Amino acid sequence: EADIYQTPRYLVIGTGKKITLECSQTMGHDKMYWYQQDPGMELHLIHYSYGVNSTEKGDLSSESTVSRIRTEHFPLTLESARPSHTSQYLCASSEGIVPYEQYFGPGTRLTVT
Amino acid sequence: AQKITQTQPGMFVQEKEAVTLDCTYDTSDQSYGLFWYKQPSSGEMIFLIYQGSYDEQNATEGRYSLNFQKARKSANLVISASQLGDSAMYFCAMRELGKAAGNKLTFGGGTRVLVKP
Repeated sequence: EADIYQTPRYLVIGTGKKITLECSQTMGHDKMYWYQQDPGMELHLIHYSYGVNSTEKGDLSSESTVSRIRTEHFPLTLESARPSHTSQYLCASSEGIVPYEQYFGPGTRLTVT
Repeated sequence: AQKITQTQPGMFVQEKEAVTLDCTYDTSDQSYGLFWYKQPSSGEMIFLIYQGSYDEQNATEGRYSLNFQKARKSANLVISASQLGDSAMYFCAMRELGKAAGNKLTFGGGTRVLVKP
């Protein structure tokens, strides 16, 4: 059973607001990931981290930023939310042994009005 | 760059029958990993099965099996004895290797499966 948590599960917020999506895992995984997914569509990697103080942008350009100050915590921040940011955001972490399976959190469904 | 293609956007399957979900991939790497994930309507991603590129035997996990044809670059998922709870989106994914790659996954577009009673 994977121990990776995301809060909030659902968020409806107005344009221009600053938001932070929380992601925490208790498995001690070094690698963590953020994906963006529109309904019924594929997942796109927007950020990943190798470990503490290490973050990289993913394949899909995103206006969000991330930080990794602690191994277990990988929050994603939008400084000024826009309707185009409406999507589901999935956090994942990866173990350091084959097959390097990624464990996913339950996701945050964000709606920006 | 790696690419995953799932050509079936949606499928109906009768309960208790088997269903095959197609996945083809494109990579120049010799060593890679292939995954299948299930995503129910609740949104979470559930790992189903893994196949390494050097694994000689097709992977199996309960009712799930992976038909791996390396020369054709295909990794089809077979679900046997379908159940109503199998109704979900199914994603094929490939893992990039190497420290610089960070074990990133590239996902296909998904196949929606609806199991009919």
